[in-house]
Amino acid sequence: DAKTTQPTSMDCAEGRAANLPCNHSTISGNEYVYWYRQIHSQGPQYIIHGLKNNETNEMASLIITEDRKSSTLILPHATLRDTAVYYCIVRVGYNNNDMRFGAGTRLTVKP
Amino acid sequence: GAVVSQHPSRVICKSGTSVKIECRSLDFQATTMFWYRQFPKQSLMLMATSNEGSKATYEQGVEKDKFLINHASLTLSTLTVTSAHPEDSSFYICSASTLSNEQFFGPGTRLTVL
Repeated sequence: DAKTTQPTSMDCAEGRAANLPCNHSTISGNEYVYWYRQIHSQGPQYIIHGLKNNETNEMASLIITEDRKSSTLILPHATLRDTAVYYCIVRVGYNNNDMRFGAGTRLTVKP
Repeated sequence: GAVVSQHPSRVICKSGTSVKIECRSLDFQATTMFWYRQFPKQSLMLMATSNEGSKATYEQGVEKDKFLINHASLTLSTLTVTSAHPEDSSFYICSASTLSNEQFFGPGTRLTVL
C-alpha cells in the first residue's frame, strides 16, 4: 500500500521557488518524512528529512503540517540542475528500516 | 554525506551467464545494505535487505536463488544475477545505512542482458 501521495509532475521556472507537496495521511508517530531525488540514470540523492518540526539545510526546506498528514519540500531558487524525480518517503527512524519508494514527482525546471 | 560506490557502472552480458555487482560503503561501516531494481520510467523497487554476516531477506516475488546476495563485511555487499535473461535487464541500485540510520545510495549499475 502506498504510504505517500505526490503529484505526478510539476513545472517550475528557473530562479523561482519549487514547492513539492506530499500527502502522508496515515503516518505513524514514529515515522519520519524523508525526501530524496533522482536525476536521470543516477542513484537517489538525499535531500532532507524531518519528524514534526520544519527543517532547513543547504539544499531545501521541509515544511510539515501540524497534524503531520502532509508536507512540502521547498527548493528556494530552482535551477535547471534541479530537474529530477522527487520522492517523499515515510520511514521509521530507527532499526535501519528500508526506504519504500512511490512514484514520485517529476519536476521540470524551465528556463 | 557518506559515499556508496557500485561496480561496475554498466555491464552487458549474454543470456545464461552470471553477473556480479559490488556495493561498497567507502567511508563508513554499514551493517545493513539494501538492493533495489528500477525498470525504465518506473520507481525503485526493493529487492532484498542484506545484513552483515547473515542471510539476506528477500521481498515477495524476488527469487533468492536467482539473485544471490552476500554481505561478508561491513563495507561490501554483492548481488549476483545468476543465469541472467533479457528480462533481468534493469538498473540495479544499492544503499547502505549508517549507524545513525541515515541511508545513502550508490550510483547504480545498468545491466543489459542480450
